[in-house]
Amino acid sequence: DTAVSQTPKYLVTQMGNDKSIKCEQNLGHDTMYWYKQDSKKFLKIMFSYNNKELIINETVPNRFSPKSPDKAHLNLHINSLELGDSAVYFCASGPGDTQYFGPGTRLTVL
Amino acid sequence: GQQVMQIPQYQHVQEGEDFTTYCNSSTTLSNIQWYKQRPGGHPVFLIQLVKSGEVKKQKRLTFQFGEAKKNSSLHITATQTTDVGTYFCAATSGSRLTFGEGTQLTVNP
Repeated sequence: DTAVSQTPKYLVTQMGNDKSIKCEQNLGHDTMYWYKQDSKKFLKIMFSYNNKELIINETVPNRFSPKSPDKAHLNLHINSLELGDSAVYFCASGPGDTQYFGPGTRLTVL
Repeated sequence: GQQVMQIPQYQHVQEGEDFTTYCNSSTTLSNIQWYKQRPGGHPVFLIQLVKSGEVKKQKRLTFQFGEAKKNSSLHITATQTTDVGTYFCAATSGSRLTFGEGTQLTVNP
């Protein structure tokens, strides 16, 4: 039944490590997104893919690389993690303007 | 890019009191959406407003879109503890949705 799912839910890691977050949607939407939510709850878009093609790439460090193997999946790989990367990362999908969010991945970099 | 300013950032109310959050833009918006995020949860779509002056209601929630389509409000009548969370407005600009900073609502029982 889950519409947009993300794994893992929690991720605790050391500075300098590389980690990935996976996202899958079963809603049949063409567009998927990654958002970052900081400690002040501000939601900022990072990337958007439409049918496996990158359409939005905000000012995000090169250490962040999205990958979309098919239109139902959008994964986020982060290299050389830094303390400032600690946040909640939300995957979302949508048929148009409306966004359907995943449960989020809380990343803590120590 | 398009920006939407949302106020207040925080609001504490007693259960039963009303609550309103406001969203403002310097440019005309094609539409505006509202989302609610419960503590520890994810944003959930509430509603989309498209027409100038549009008013929509969902039980105790009333959503308005300004006549000039530059502002919007969400009003909750007689808040309940289940209303606790962060309320976001969001506006479409091209292919992206830009979120306001959100209003964090706490309700004291």
